[in-house]
Amino acid sequence: DAKTTQPNSMESNEEEPVHLPCNHSTISGTDYIHWYRQLPSQGPEYVIHGLTSNVNNRMASLAIAEDRKSSTLILHRATLRDAAVYYCILRDSNNAGNMLTFGGGTRLMVKP
Amino acid sequence: GAVVSQHPSWVICKSGTSVKIECRSLDFQATTMFWYRQFPKQSLMLMATSNEGSKATYEQGVEKDKFLINHASLTLSTLTVTSAHPEDSSFYICSAGLAGGSGELFFGEGSRLTVL
Repeated sequence: DAKTTQPNSMESNEEEPVHLPCNHSTISGTDYIHWYRQLPSQGPEYVIHGLTSNVNNRMASLAIAEDRKSSTLILHRATLRDAAVYYCILRDSNNAGNMLTFGGGTRLMVKP
Repeated sequence: GAVVSQHPSWVICKSGTSVKIECRSLDFQATTMFWYRQFPKQSLMLMATSNEGSKATYEQGVEKDKFLINHASLTLSTLTVTSAHPEDSSFYICSAGLAGGSGELFFGEGSRLTVL
Protein backbone atom coordinates (compact mmCIF):
# COMPACT_ATOMS: atom_id res chain seq x y z
CA ASP A 1 0.00 0.00 0.00
CA ALA A 2 1.19 3.51 -0.76
CA LYS A 3 2.45 5.52 2.20
CA THR A 4 0.86 8.58 3.77
CA THR A 5 2.47 11.41 5.72
CA GLN A 6 0.70 13.30 8.48
CA PRO A 7 1.80 15.79 11.13
CA ASN A 8 2.38 14.13 14.47
CA SER A 9 0.06 16.44 16.35
CA MET A 10 -2.23 19.42 16.00
CA GLU A 11 -4.11 21.66 18.37
CA SER A 12 -7.48 23.24 17.96
CA ASN A 13 -9.85 25.35 19.97
CA GLU A 14 -13.27 24.04 20.76
CA GLU A 15 -16.00 24.99 18.29
CA GLU A 16 -13.49 26.05 15.66
CA PRO A 17 -12.89 24.22 12.37
CA VAL A 18 -9.96 21.84 12.10
CA HIS A 19 -8.10 20.96 8.93
CA LEU A 20 -6.03 17.78 9.18
CA PRO A 21 -3.65 17.36 6.24
CA CYS A 22 -2.37 14.17 4.66
CA ASN A 23 0.20 13.77 1.91
CA HIS A 24 0.14 10.71 -0.31
CA SER A 25 2.32 11.56 -3.27
CA THR A 26 2.68 7.93 -4.42
CA ILE A 27 -1.06 7.26 -4.54
CA SER A 28 -2.20 5.02 -7.39
CA GLY A 29 -5.31 5.38 -9.47
CA THR A 30 -7.11 2.58 -7.64
CA ASP A 31 -6.34 3.80 -4.12
CA TYR A 32 -9.17 5.08 -1.99
CA ILE A 33 -8.33 7.63 0.70
CA HIS A 34 -9.67 6.54 4.07
CA TRP A 35 -9.73 8.36 7.38
CA TYR A 36 -10.17 6.65 10.71
CA ARG A 37 -9.84 8.01 14.20
CA GLN A 38 -9.02 6.41 17.49
CA LEU A 39 -10.26 7.82 20.73
CA PRO A 40 -8.29 7.01 23.88
CA SER A 41 -8.49 3.35 24.89
CA GLN A 42 -10.84 2.47 22.05
CA GLY A 43 -10.59 0.74 18.71
CA PRO A 44 -10.43 2.91 15.60
CA GLU A 45 -13.64 4.15 14.04
CA TYR A 46 -14.37 5.02 10.46
CA VAL A 47 -14.65 8.70 9.63
CA ILE A 48 -14.85 9.10 5.87
CA HIS A 49 -13.38 7.96 2.59
CA GLY A 50 -13.19 9.10 -1.00
CA LEU A 51 -11.59 8.50 -4.36
CA THR A 52 -11.50 11.70 -6.38
CA SER A 53 -14.35 13.99 -5.42
CA ASN A 54 -14.78 15.80 -2.14
CA VAL A 55 -17.00 13.96 0.30
CA ASN A 56 -19.23 15.06 3.15
CA ASN A 57 -20.90 13.09 5.89
CA ARG A 58 -22.27 13.80 9.33
CA MET A 59 -18.85 13.51 10.93
CA ALA A 60 -16.58 15.41 8.59
CA SER A 61 -15.68 16.53 5.11
CA LEU A 62 -12.88 15.21 2.95
CA ALA A 63 -11.21 17.53 0.49
CA ILE A 64 -9.08 15.75 -2.11
CA ALA A 65 -6.54 17.64 -4.18
CA GLU A 66 -7.03 17.58 -7.93
CA ASP A 67 -3.86 15.53 -8.43
CA ARG A 68 -4.88 13.30 -5.49
CA LYS A 69 -1.46 13.61 -3.92
CA SER A 70 -2.88 15.15 -0.80
CA SER A 71 -6.11 15.38 1.10
CA THR A 72 -7.54 17.24 4.07
CA LEU A 73 -9.96 16.03 6.67
CA ILE A 74 -12.16 18.86 7.86
CA LEU A 75 -13.96 18.87 11.18
CA HIS A 76 -16.32 21.81 10.92
CA ARG A 77 -16.67 22.50 14.64
CA ALA A 78 -14.28 20.69 16.90
CA THR A 79 -15.60 19.43 20.20
CA LEU A 80 -13.70 17.99 23.13
CA ARG A 81 -14.92 14.57 22.05
CA ASP A 82 -13.06 14.95 18.78
CA ALA A 83 -9.73 14.69 20.59
CA ALA A 84 -8.24 11.56 19.07
CA VAL A 85 -5.56 10.20 16.78
CA TYR A 86 -6.61 10.60 13.15
CA TYR A 87 -5.24 8.16 10.61
CA CYS A 88 -5.11 8.78 6.87
CA ILE A 89 -4.85 5.44 5.03
CA LEU A 90 -4.80 4.43 1.40
CA ARG A 91 -6.66 1.30 0.37
CA ASP A 92 -6.30 -0.28 -3.05
CA SER A 93 -9.76 -1.08 -4.38
CA ASN A 94 -8.24 -3.99 -6.29
CA ASN A 95 -7.12 -5.53 -3.02
CA ALA A 96 -9.64 -8.18 -2.11
CA GLY A 97 -8.45 -8.12 1.49
CA ASN A 98 -9.85 -5.67 3.98
CA MET A 99 -6.86 -4.97 6.12
CA LEU A 100 -5.61 -1.48 6.85
CA THR A 101 -2.00 -0.47 7.30
CA PHE A 102 -1.77 2.25 9.92
CA GLY A 103 0.85 4.98 9.96
CA GLY A 104 1.57 7.28 12.85
CA GLY A 105 -1.51 9.43 12.48
CA THR A 106 -2.12 12.93 13.82
CA ARG A 107 -2.94 13.41 17.47
CA LEU A 108 -5.56 16.14 17.65
CA MET A 109 -5.83 18.04 20.90
CA VAL A 110 -8.88 20.22 21.44
CA LYS A 111 -8.69 23.06 23.92
CA PRO A 112 -11.81 24.31 25.69
CA GLY B 1 -24.38 -0.04 10.96
CA ALA B 2 -22.20 -3.11 11.16
CA VAL B 3 -20.69 -3.82 14.54
CA VAL B 4 -17.67 -5.75 15.69
CA SER B 5 -17.47 -6.67 19.34
CA GLN B 6 -14.55 -7.93 21.42
CA HIS B 7 -14.49 -9.69 24.73
CA PRO B 8 -13.06 -9.25 27.27
CA SER B 9 -12.36 -5.54 27.17
CA TRP B 10 -9.59 -5.97 29.66
CA VAL B 11 -7.84 -8.88 31.30
CA ILE B 12 -5.08 -9.31 33.84
CA CYS B 13 -3.26 -12.61 34.03
CA LYS B 14 -0.20 -14.17 35.58
CA SER B 15 2.90 -14.83 33.56
CA GLY B 16 2.82 -18.25 31.94
CA THR B 17 -0.93 -18.51 31.61
CA SER B 18 -2.96 -18.36 28.39
CA VAL B 19 -5.59 -15.80 27.54
CA LYS B 20 -8.32 -16.00 24.91
CA ILE B 21 -9.83 -12.92 23.26
CA GLU B 22 -12.99 -13.18 21.19
CA CYS B 23 -13.97 -11.05 18.22
CA ARG B 24 -17.51 -11.21 16.88
CA SER B 25 -19.18 -9.60 13.91
CA LEU B 26 -22.65 -8.94 15.23
CA ASP B 27 -24.74 -8.28 12.16
CA PHE B 28 -22.72 -9.44 9.21
CA GLN B 29 -20.65 -12.41 8.19
CA ALA B 30 -16.92 -11.98 7.99
CA THR B 31 -14.85 -14.54 6.13
CA THR B 32 -11.79 -12.56 7.08
CA MET B 33 -10.96 -10.78 10.30
CA PHE B 34 -7.79 -8.98 11.27
CA TRP B 35 -5.93 -8.85 14.55
CA TYR B 36 -3.86 -5.83 15.51
CA ARG B 37 -1.66 -5.06 18.48
CA GLN B 38 -1.00 -1.62 19.83
CA PHE B 39 1.62 -0.68 22.40
CA PRO B 40 1.32 2.58 24.37
CA LYS B 41 1.86 5.73 22.30
CA GLN B 42 2.29 3.67 19.15
CA SER B 43 0.19 2.94 16.11
CA LEU B 44 -1.67 -0.27 15.35
CA MET B 45 0.42 -3.10 13.98
CA LEU B 46 -1.20 -5.90 12.03
CA MET B 47 -0.48 -9.26 13.62
CA ALA B 48 -2.42 -11.69 11.49
CA THR B 49 -5.28 -12.26 9.12
CA SER B 50 -7.88 -14.70 10.35
CA ASN B 51 -9.55 -16.75 7.64
CA GLU B 52 -12.77 -18.64 8.26
CA GLY B 53 -12.27 -22.34 7.83
CA SER B 54 -8.55 -22.17 7.14
CA LYS B 55 -5.27 -21.25 8.75
CA ALA B 56 -4.49 -17.71 9.74
CA THR B 57 -1.85 -15.73 7.92
CA TYR B 58 0.72 -14.16 10.24
CA GLU B 59 2.78 -11.05 9.66
CA GLN B 60 6.52 -11.29 9.75
CA GLY B 61 7.86 -11.46 13.27
CA VAL B 62 4.61 -12.69 14.85
CA GLU B 63 4.93 -16.14 16.38
CA LYS B 64 2.06 -18.31 15.21
CA ASP B 65 2.56 -20.81 18.03
CA LYS B 66 2.30 -18.07 20.60
CA PHE B 67 -0.67 -16.22 19.13
CA LEU B 68 -3.17 -18.90 18.19
CA ILE B 69 -5.99 -17.78 15.95
CA ASN B 70 -9.15 -19.73 15.34
CA HIS B 71 -11.88 -18.61 12.95
CA ALA B 72 -14.39 -21.41 13.22
CA SER B 73 -17.47 -19.52 12.07
CA LEU B 74 -18.35 -16.55 9.91
CA THR B 75 -19.01 -14.40 12.95
CA LEU B 76 -16.32 -15.40 15.43
CA SER B 77 -12.55 -15.28 15.52
CA THR B 78 -10.50 -15.93 18.64
CA LEU B 79 -6.96 -14.94 19.53
CA THR B 80 -5.25 -16.95 22.25
CA VAL B 81 -2.06 -15.61 23.74
CA THR B 82 -0.30 -18.71 25.01
CA SER B 83 2.17 -18.69 27.89
CA ALA B 84 1.80 -14.96 28.22
CA HIS B 85 4.69 -12.85 29.48
CA PRO B 86 4.83 -9.21 30.57
CA GLU B 87 6.12 -8.16 27.13
CA ASP B 88 2.83 -9.42 25.66
CA SER B 89 0.95 -6.77 27.61
CA SER B 90 -0.72 -4.66 24.96
CA PHE B 91 -3.98 -3.47 23.46
CA TYR B 92 -5.32 -6.08 21.04
CA ILE B 93 -7.85 -4.97 18.43
CA CYS B 94 -9.75 -6.94 15.82
CA SER B 95 -11.43 -5.69 12.69
CA ALA B 96 -13.66 -6.96 9.94
CA GLY B 97 -15.42 -5.53 6.97
CA LEU B 98 -17.88 -6.17 4.25
CA ALA B 99 -16.59 -7.49 0.95
CA GLY B 100 -14.80 -5.12 -1.36
CA GLY B 101 -11.69 -3.00 -1.07
CA SER B 102 -13.30 0.40 -0.92
CA GLY B 103 -15.72 0.15 1.97
CA GLU B 104 -15.24 0.97 5.59
CA LEU B 105 -13.85 -1.44 8.12
CA PHE B 106 -15.27 -2.01 11.55
CA PHE B 107 -13.15 -2.35 14.64
CA GLY B 108 -13.78 -3.94 17.98
CA GLU B 109 -13.52 -1.98 21.18
CA GLY B 110 -10.12 -3.48 21.89
CA SER B 111 -8.91 -5.79 24.64
CA ARG B 112 -6.27 -4.59 27.03
CA LEU B 113 -4.06 -7.40 28.26
CA THR B 114 -1.85 -6.95 31.30
CA VAL B 115 0.49 -9.79 32.16
CA LEU B 116 1.92 -9.67 35.66
